[in-house]
Amino acid sequence: EAGVAQSPRYKIIEKRQSVAFWCNPISGHATLYWYQQILGQGPKLLIQFQNNGVVDDSQLPKDRFSAERLKGVDSTLKIQPAKLEDSAVYLCASSLVSGGDFTDTQYFGPGTRLTVL
Amino acid sequence: DAKTTQPNSMESNEEEPVHLPCNHSTISGTDYIHWYRQLPSQGPEYVIHGLTSNVNNRMASLAIAEDRKSSTLILHRATLRDAAVYYCILRDPLLYNTDKLIFGTGTRLQVFP
Repeated sequence: EAGVAQSPRYKIIEKRQSVAFWCNPISGHATLYWYQQILGQGPKLLIQFQNNGVVDDSQLPKDRFSAERLKGVDSTLKIQPAKLEDSAVYLCASSLVSGGDFTDTQYFGPGTRLTVL
Repeated sequence: DAKTTQPNSMESNEEEPVHLPCNHSTISGTDYIHWYRQLPSQGPEYVIHGLTSNVNNRMASLAIAEDRKSSTLILHRATLRDAAVYYCILRDPLLYNTDKLIFGTGTRLQVFP
């Protein structure tokens, strides 16, 4: 079974530039997550999609971050304009949430390491 | 959100058992205890989860205290590949559609040859 795919793996940009990350979840997974992981910290959820709809975007800095999930499958996360503090690893995860699934295992991609200079 | 407390780091020698503790004194009756780990330069991966009874799978065992205020992840024979950050997370399955994984800083496990 193919895992969660992310691209690019690494990105270096200057502050005030824009950047976009792409995620392809595991086939059939209804729920997709974007996390931000700053060096030395655990991942922090930015946004959660259930199919096409946004379930939780309370931690997303909406003045500069945006995300969409096309047709309930792939997703893109964009930062415009980037700030120095956006330097982090951006992780995408997906899960198969269904009634009675008490595991709700989240499967993570390898992440995109963003460096903002 | 229910909180968990873990030691910042632990060390082990290869082939030895490792016991990773987690305190969760404010756990509710419906919270499951989940463990994820993050290998270097990779995303987190699921390890194990449980509610009340001890659980075993091919990766590890989970021992849950009778009062559920603490739990221990057990790696029976540590290998170099087990060197990772281990996260203990509480989740209420009734809130899966809206709840989220809340990662702390976890325990960094070092394994020596």
